[in-house]
Amino acid sequence: DAGVIQSPRHEVTEMGQEVTLRCKPISGHNSLFWYRQTMMRGLELLIYFNNNVPIDDSGMPEDRFSAKMPNASFSTLKIQPSEPRDSAVYFCASSLPGSSPLHFGNGTRLTVT
Amino acid sequence: AQSVAQPEDQVNVAEGNPLTVKCTYSVSGNPYLFWYVQYPNRGLQFLLKYITGDNLVKGSYGFEAEFNKSQTSFHLKKPSALVSDSALYFCAVRAPSTDSWGKFQFGAGTQVVVTP
Repeated sequence: DAGVIQSPRHEVTEMGQEVTLRCKPISGHNSLFWYRQTMMRGLELLIYFNNNVPIDDSGMPEDRFSAKMPNASFSTLKIQPSEPRDSAVYFCASSLPGSSPLHFGNGTRLTVT
Repeated sequence: AQSVAQPEDQVNVAEGNPLTVKCTYSVSGNPYLFWYVQYPNRGLQFLLKYITGDNLVKGSYGFEAEFNKSQTSFHLKKPSALVSDSALYFCAVRAPSTDSWGKFQFGAGTQVVVTP
């Protein structure tokens, strides 16, 4: 079991650039979550999918953020254009339904200068 | 709306002493309850969960948690803390939504510092 795989591990970009974060969930997991973690705001849920369908995107900060899950083994989180306040660690996590725990990737540390 | 509260930002304990990290929740129905630990520069790692049955559940690394329905609490405990237990700990709940199994709601986290 390779676990949840996120790429890149680190991303440094300039304000205004497009950023794409990638996630491969654990095979067979049908729920996928994107979280953002900062010192000020803690762990925030951005969006989650069940069976590739977005269920709740109320945590997406604004229209600059978008997420897709074209198939069961891949998801992206895109920020366009990026801003310095988007600097954070972004986590992807996946799970099975019900009592199955959530499994986290090691995150992408995004720095926007 | 569901919510999770971890009332302590930080817990300090001496090595060898018992460790308790508090968590209370507010959610309708019968949620599933979880504890996670996060070490620096890593994702959250699952420690243990409560589904139903015995109120005391045991998990990884010697941790256990006690579920109390009347107090809507799920406190994490370890009888004898180690310096290596120093980390950030998160409590989480998951409850069914109208569409399907819903999101995991996390607390703000509690930093545990174990001193030698």
